Amino acid sequence: GNSVTQMEGPVTLSEEAFLTINCTYTATGYPSLFWYVQYPGEGLQLLLKATKADDKGSNKGFEATYRKETTSFHLEKGSVQVSDSAVYFCALRETSGSRLTFGEGTQLTVNP
Amino acid sequence: NAGVTQTPKFQVLKTGQSMTLQCAQDMNHNSMYWYRQDPGMGLRLIYYSASEGTTDKGEVPNGYNVSRLNKREFSLRLESAAPSQTSVYFCASSPRGRDNQPQHFGDGTRLSIL
Repeated sequence: GNSVTQMEGPVTLSEEAFLTINCTYTATGYPSLFWYVQYPGEGLQLLLKATKADDKGSNKGFEATYRKETTSFHLEKGSVQVSDSAVYFCALRETSGSRLTFGEGTQLTVNP
Repeated sequence: NAGVTQTPKFQVLKTGQSMTLQCAQDMNHNSMYWYRQDPGMGLRLIYYSASEGTTDKGEVPNGYNVSRLNKREFSLRLESAAPSQTSVYFCASSPRGRDNQPQHFGDGTRLSIL
């Protein structure tokens, strides 16, 4: 079956540091890949997505590239802010449906 | 823009009590989903409804039932609550299937079972 594995957290960074959160997946076919963000006390919001190999999703300074050869979709940001503190979830959607499979989530804390 | 609305936001139950979690969306989406979120386990799909009139089991359906009342509403019922069902429950919706549109989430229901 499908699965998503994220780097273990929590991650604590200083403001303006570089961020990488690793995500790898197992799936048949050609899934779509997503990063969702959850701010404290809120539901999940879509951060970015990529639907085919070598696509790069980007939003709010975050980027992730769909790497089929390494089955990865790592999230990066060049300079994090305190307001980026949240839980980040990597997810995939199977080729022929609408169901999402989520990773465990990574808690990011950015200190001033 | 309401999006996906869940009620209640918080609830405490005693073991054995029953409860229905409500979810409504105003985006004319065909598909709706119920997830539970537990520490270190991400979100796990309980049940989903691909379209009005259909429901299917997800990854962790035991102990739950659902009703797709109409296109807008999708409820989750716990018939006899157990402490293992203490969790945060999220409802989500999306347009049908293969158009790569994302799921939209509600703010969650925090449920504690004593």
